This record gives sequence, structure tokens and C-alpha cells, in this order.
Amino acid sequence: DQQVKQNSPSLSVQEGRISILNCDYTNSMFDYFLWYKKYPAEGPTFLISISSIKDKNEDGRFTVFLNKSAKHLSLHIVPSQPGDSAVYFCAASAKYGGSQGNLIFGKGTKLSVKP
Amino acid sequence: DTGVSQDPRHKITKRGQNVTFRCDPISEHNRLYWYRQTLGQGPEFLTYFQNEAQLEKSRLLSDRFSAERPKGSFSTLEIQRTEQGDSAMYLCASTPDGLAGPRETQYFGPGTRLLVL
Repeated sequence: DQQVKQNSPSLSVQEGRISILNCDYTNSMFDYFLWYKKYPAEGPTFLISISSIKDKNEDGRFTVFLNKSAKHLSLHIVPSQPGDSAVYFCAASAKYGGSQGNLIFGKGTKLSVKP
Repeated sequence: DTGVSQDPRHKITKRGQNVTFRCDPISEHNRLYWYRQTLGQGPEFLTYFQNEAQLEKSRLLSDRFSAERPKGSFSTLEIQRTEQGDSAMYLCASTPDGLAGPRETQYFGPGTRLLVL
């Protein structure tokens, strides 16, 4: 049973427009959420995170929104650039409940930004 | 370069052979995690160390897998009697303690891609 779901395997966006990547989770114990970007044959690169006590966190072109009641988060990239083309993973962790902070990942969304 | 490093980056082996991977975390990070990623999936947690103590192991970590972090610095992951199903990317990540930064943000190495023939 997947605890973190990214239901869109792929997304194509025009350069300069907004990219919106979505993520849903089922475990109410999750209290920290992260987005990672991954190029082929490389490890995931940390992008941005958000604690469950917040509903928005912004870092340059990247903004993450958290809706706890809906158990949903999204990553907005504005404006999108061709270099943003990669696979984006949503991840969640729980400080309590025995998980020791290990990350639970979704399956990823492949973003393609077209010039 | 002060990021997480992993060695080797690629490994091809025959079924039944043993392989060992190494991870060097960011120097001030005391928590170290191993993950495995297969095609079309996100990384899946394998095991976790705080300093030299192995505190948690996933059900994915069969008895053919063993991990160590003898001095609380680098870590090794060994797979004995490899099977074709072990083919995957093996990722290492480390986190700072709460004094140096958010505990929950994990920083990943480049991974070791294993192919078992």
C-alpha cells in the first residue's frame, strides 16, 4: 500500500509557464515533506521542504504548498526552465511512530519543459 | 567536494557473487541511510545508522544484505550471493543532527548502480 502517491507519471510544460507537481499521502503521522529532483544516473537532489506546521514554503522559483486536511502537497515552479526537466520525487517522513525519520517516496513525476 | 560520495558508481557482477558498496557521508552528519531504487519506483528505505549504531532495518533487507558503519563515519553495504532481482541503484543519504540543520532533510550521494547478470 503506497503511503505517498504521485499520480501523474509525466508532465509537459512550455518554458516560462508554471509547472505544478502534485503529491498525496495517506499516513497522518507524516510531519515533514520534501521534494527532490533527479537526473538519470544521479542521486536525488534536495529542492525544498515543508514542515506540517506550515502551509507554504518558498525558495526562489520553487514553492511548496501543504494542505493537511486533504493530505495533499504540490510543488510549483515558476517560471519553468528547460533545465528543470527531470524526475521529481515527493517524500515524507514521520518523527514519531518508529520510522526513525526514514523517507517514504512517491514514484516520481517526469517533468519536461519545452523551449 | 563536501557532499555524500559513493563508490563504485557502477558494478556489474555475476549471479552468486558478493559485492560491497561504500558510502562516505557529509562529515558533520551523524545519521546515515541506505535506500534502493528500481526502475519506475522511488527510493525505498533499507537501513539507517546513528553514528555507528544500526537502529532500523527494512523488511527489504534480507539476510543476504549486511551494512556496517564501524567508526561512525563511512558505511559499507554488502550483498552476498547476489540475485538478478538485486539489480538496482543503491543510494546513500546523510542528515545533520538538529544543531547543524533540519534533522529530516536527507542529502543523497550519486548512487551505485548494480547489474547482476
